[in-house]
Parts: sequence; C-alpha cells; structure tokens
Amino acid sequence: DAGITQSPRYKITETGRQVTLMCHQTWSHSYMFWYRQDLGHGLRLIYYSAAADITDKGEVPDGYVVSRSKTENFPLTLESATRSQTSVYFCASSESFTLRAFFGQGTRLTVV
Amino acid sequence: QKEVEQDPGPLSVPEGAIVSLNCTYSNSAFQYFMWYRQYSRKGPELLMYTYSSGNKEDGRFTAQVDKSSKYISLFIRDSQPSDSATYLCAMSGGGATNKLIFGTGTLLAVQP
Repeated sequence: DAGITQSPRYKITETGRQVTLMCHQTWSHSYMFWYRQDLGHGLRLIYYSAAADITDKGEVPDGYVVSRSKTENFPLTLESATRSQTSVYFCASSESFTLRAFFGQGTRLTVV
Repeated sequence: QKEVEQDPGPLSVPEGAIVSLNCTYSNSAFQYFMWYRQYSRKGPELLMYTYSSGNKEDGRFTAQVDKSSKYISLFIRDSQPSDSATYLCAMSGGGATNKLIFGTGTLLAVQP
C-alpha cells in the first residue's frame, strides 16, 4: 500500500540500550522528517533530510542519529536511550520544498 | 521565544458554533502555512495549506494568513463533534529555511 509506515508501533526499552525506529515511504518524496511529540511541547523536529545522503539537525537532535542511504527509508537511532527520550515519535515525508508533509501513525517509545 | 506560538486550550464549544484557532510566529521568512488535525493516538493529517497571505476556504474550514501581523487563523463553521481533535499550525520558509515548524497544538472539544 502507498503511504508512510513506521515500525514498531510500540517499544519498551531499557536505559542505555540502542534503539532504532524505522520509517518507510512509498511516494518517493524527497523530504523526510522525524518529530517527537510530548505534552506541552507539541511536535518538535529532531532531524530532517532533503534527499538521500543529505540530513540536517532540527530543534532537538541530541542523543539521536539518522541516516538516509535510500530515498524511501529514514531510520532514527537512539544511541543510548534515556528516560527523557520517552515520547511518541512521528516520521513524515514531503514531495517538495513547499513542505506539505504527510505523517506516519507514530511509534510510542517508553524508556524504563 | 518559540518561532511559532499557539494557545494550547483546551477549547470547548457547543455543536454548531464557529471555532477560531490562531497562531503567531516570529520568523518573517515563513511563506507556507498549514493546519493539521490530529485525533487521539493518531498521526497528524493535513487539513489546510496556504501560500503567503490571504484566505483559503474548503467546505466548513477557512484558513487566513496575515503576514504583516505574523498571524494565522483557522475557522471552523458549523462545528461537529467529529471535529473534536488537536489542531496544529505549521509553517515553513522554503528555500534555505526548509524546516517545517509546528505550534504546540490546540485541543478542541465540540459538545453535542
């Protein structure tokens, strides 16, 4: 099916572990984004990518790593998870610089 | 100071009321303005998209942008209980400021 999918939908991990959240889109959109959503903060941009092999930091990049070797995939890695990274993570993609973004269904991550 | 400010609400209105949702912003480079609707435990979905100043209407929804005041609005006419959701404004500059920045969202409840 066309669209943008995130996996896993739910994840519980322990402090200090490495975790990778996956994002896949089938539209061949150039732009992809990772946001985290927390109560009182709304959606905050972690990293974004304008094309394969081009990534840039957003508002809250510390503790996260991204890569984009293929246009359709944009994984987000938490190198050493902390409790403050407990959040709902959304991946999004956009067709052009106008940045009308379309979102995945989210990954609810809990770090214990 | 955040680049985009949005009253978090919650906002409660009776069915059939006109709803006004607003955002202010500080970055004069923003040119593209969007409104997203997010139901509980779902990803945001694009509701309205506007380029530069002016109005745009789509059914019961009207988006207004006033760049001179750095102020955008979303009006919902004849509100329905199904409109109950969080509404997020978002904006981007395109070009060198290709980041999509969101407000914190306003929680709307339409009472039957």
